[in-house]
Amino acid sequence: GIQVEQSPPDLILQEGANSTLRCNFSDSVNNLQWFHQNPWGQLINLFYIPSGTKQNGRLSATTVATERYSLLYISSSQTTDSGVYFCAVDIWTGNQFYFGTGTSLTVIP
Amino acid sequence: NAGVTQTPKFQVLKTGQSMTLQCAQDMNHEYMSWYRQDPGMGLRLIHYSVGAGITDQGEVPNGYNVSRSTTEDFPLRLLSAAPSQTSVYFCASSYSEGGEQFFGPGTRLTVL
Repeated sequence: GIQVEQSPPDLILQEGANSTLRCNFSDSVNNLQWFHQNPWGQLINLFYIPSGTKQNGRLSATTVATERYSLLYISSSQTTDSGVYFCAVDIWTGNQFYFGTGTSLTVIP
Repeated sequence: NAGVTQTPKFQVLKTGQSMTLQCAQDMNHEYMSWYRQDPGMGLRLIHYSVGAGITDQGEVPNGYNVSRSTTEDFPLRLLSAAPSQTSVYFCASSYSEGGEQFFGPGTRLTVL
């Protein structure tokens, strides 16, 4: 099956710092989505981004499908950004999303 | 618009018991899926459905049954619970194949 790798696995930031999270995938995908899992376990949609670049406030994402990776940028981090960030890719058969193992982000004041 | 709802929020079972995890969505989405999340891991797909009456297996289907009699509901059945099924279970729905997934709040299941 498809492999989805995220890096780094853990990240600790001072409030106000910027960061880049990476998602590599091993095969061609139909779509890619980024999620934030907050400390209460809820999965929050961040970006639905099969290709190109999108921005939403302090967050932006870029997917380069031909090179099989996606990047999530967090600028001016806040303590509320803490949690685990997942990318998930959809392969071309049915509605099957495969998740990476996530990046655990801790933002300290 | 409640989105995707799941019940119960928490459940404790004994080995061998059966139960059904409920999932419902009110967005008229054709596509629904069940995932499990184990500690330190990403989510893994159990079963999915591309419309009422149509289901298929995902990455980790063993020990689970699903059916889809209506567009709104997609229950997940554990026929004979095992400790290895202790996990957090998430239901998701999307409007189109490979479309943006919307997740429910999850059910935390412990099997003793």
